[in-house]
Amino acid sequence: NAGVTQTPKFQVLKTGQSMTLQCAQDMNHEYMSWYRQDPGMGLRLIHYSVGAGITDQGEVPNGYNVSRSTTEDFPLRLLSAAPSQTSVYFCASSYSNGFNSGANVLTFGAGSRLTVL
Amino acid sequence: DQQVKQNSPSLSVQEGRISILNCDYTNSMFDYFLWYKKYPAEGPTFLISISSIKDKNEDGRFTVFLNKSAKHLSLHIVPSQPGDSAVYFCAASDGNQFYFGTGTSLTVIP
Repeated sequence: NAGVTQTPKFQVLKTGQSMTLQCAQDMNHEYMSWYRQDPGMGLRLIHYSVGAGITDQGEVPNGYNVSRSTTEDFPLRLLSAAPSQTSVYFCASSYSNGFNSGANVLTFGAGSRLTVL
Repeated sequence: DQQVKQNSPSLSVQEGRISILNCDYTNSMFDYFLWYKKYPAEGPTFLISISSIKDKNEDGRFTVFLNKSAKHLSLHIVPSQPGDSAVYFCAASDGNQFYFGTGTSLTVIP
């Protein structure tokens, strides 16, 4: 059982380049999300999905696109990278978005460190 | 505006003593609260949670206390161990999203 798998672990981009951060989970979780972690800012929600074909914006969605064609995969796309997108990105999933029970907590991937020059 | 705040960026504690990590929130609609632990180069892992209908939840060495009137929760670790050295994130949920604090880096000194 792999849990939440993120690739790549490290990436360096030049300003204006595009790339996709991959996220896959094998726990049949309905809810998937992307966070970014920056010093002094904690974890901030970028986009989330409550099921295949459904996505929505979080707190800091600008500059990022997502899609959810399958239950397992939730890629995060940067169409034109900017230095402000230098961060550590975490994908997280859970059974559903009814976050008011002890059985429903987020499981995180190991993170993807992105540097934009 | 940050809805979940951890005002102490760092905390150092001697091994065997109690560690107390604090968290404040502003949104009265939050009904579920969690603590996550994060080691360097790893993703956060779930530690302990508490529902808004409770004021205390224990799991081994870890206890979370919730004071709804003060919009404050705390995590107590007793006794603290060197392996507890990590960054701890407080999180709150309104049923749709999690909102995370900025984290407190705990160092347990052997």
